[in-house]
Amino acid sequence: GAGVSQTPSNKVTEKGKYVELRCDPISGHTALYWYRQSLGQGPEFLIYFQGTGAADDSGLPNDRFFAVRPEGSVSTLKIQRTERGDSAVYLCASSPGGGITEAFFGQGTRLTVV
Amino acid sequence: KNQVEQSPQSLIILEGKNCTLQCNYTVSPFSNLRWYKQDTGRGPVSLTIMTFSENTKSNGRYTATLDADTKQSSLHITASQLSDSASYICVVSTRDYIPTFGRGTSLIVHP
Repeated sequence: GAGVSQTPSNKVTEKGKYVELRCDPISGHTALYWYRQSLGQGPEFLIYFQGTGAADDSGLPNDRFFAVRPEGSVSTLKIQRTERGDSAVYLCASSPGGGITEAFFGQGTRLTVV
Repeated sequence: KNQVEQSPQSLIILEGKNCTLQCNYTVSPFSNLRWYKQDTGRGPVSLTIMTFSENTKSNGRYTATLDADTKQSSLHITASQLSDSASYICVVSTRDYIPTFGRGTSLIVHP
């Protein structure tokens, strides 16, 4: 596609529910990043994929969060037993490689846990 | 702990004026520093990328500087336009390409 696509753009869920957020990176980009951005804050790193593997998942806040990228393209961020504090914009970015190359961001998914 | 501090937190200027945003970091080992512009409700868009050996880089009316010795960077915006109103985020990455984001400077340009 022309850019990084994230779906849904908005998600409202009840506390305790399970949610999945999807990221379609730019075709051919091997590196994929997930970030979380709270209102008035800069993005917070969650996880970085190089190909199919998670090269660094040190930013995931706890074991309720995990992400997959089974075929090295589309990635899904999964949040179990959602809490109100999980409410944020979840941003995905991709780049051609893990090196010093420009990363392109999607528009984000705004998650609201009520 | 790797940290990126940006100042000021917010800035209001008149259209046509210049401004400079600051970024101090303690990220190590340093790989590169990027400035992003984030419009409200949108994802960040890259403005500049600088490595250790680069002191300055320009992108139109945006000029970024880097002092790797003092671990400081600045983003200078010349002849501001209304469309420059956005958050400007400084991001510093380690050699493992893991980024640390600053909280951003919110810039408002008034006509």
